[in-house]
Amino acid sequence: GQNIDQPTEMTATEGAIVQINCTYQTSGFNGLFWYQQHAGEAPTFLSYNVLDGLEEKGRFSSFLSRSKGYSYLLLKELQMKDSASYLCAISSYNQGGKLIFGQGTELSVKP
Amino acid sequence: GAVVSQHPSRVICKSGTSVKIECRSLDFQATTMFWYRQFPKQSLMLMATSNEGSKATYEQGVEKDKFLINHASLTLSTLTVTSAHPEDSSFYICSARAASGGLGELFFGEGSRLTVL
Repeated sequence: GQNIDQPTEMTATEGAIVQINCTYQTSGFNGLFWYQQHAGEAPTFLSYNVLDGLEEKGRFSSFLSRSKGYSYLLLKELQMKDSASYLCAISSYNQGGKLIFGQGTELSVKP
Repeated sequence: GAVVSQHPSRVICKSGTSVKIECRSLDFQATTMFWYRQFPKQSLMLMATSNEGSKATYEQGVEKDKFLINHASLTLSTLTVTSAHPEDSSFYICSARAASGGLGELFFGEGSRLTVL
């Protein structure tokens, strides 16, 4: 089966940097996704990693280590609007392309 | 980017009635769409995979007779919650990939919040 683990809650200060970790176990790994979800809204895509290394996109970066089953999402220059739930999700070859989501990390950005 | 539209965004119904939720891919064709359910303060739980022209594939524990899925065209999938009960109240979200082969990002609809009285 598949297992995804990420912290339930995190708190950070405006302007700071925060790292949200995600560990996973699966067979036939086919990619790891990060999504942002504000309360009451649908998730929005942040990043996609399929190879090891760091993917940078503006203030957001995502890292993947397939051998360790580990990823992190790095948010720089935090803004109040970054307060949201951050969802780690994995795709596997043997799962027909569907995404399985972790529990999500609720990030609170304080002034 | 690719757009997925979901309707209605909010629906309130009486217990025992049925509710249909539509999911459309507006600028791409989607042979596969996915239906998720999300309860408050919880993550997205995959309910079923909707396959164009064939039967949906349901996840373990999801009642296929209660949650009817129809994927009649490459741009439309529908989820019908039959004989809804208060415990079915939830946020239902559909998603689709623009690329074939199961790769690439998954685009989500806006979600449909169902409240069963």
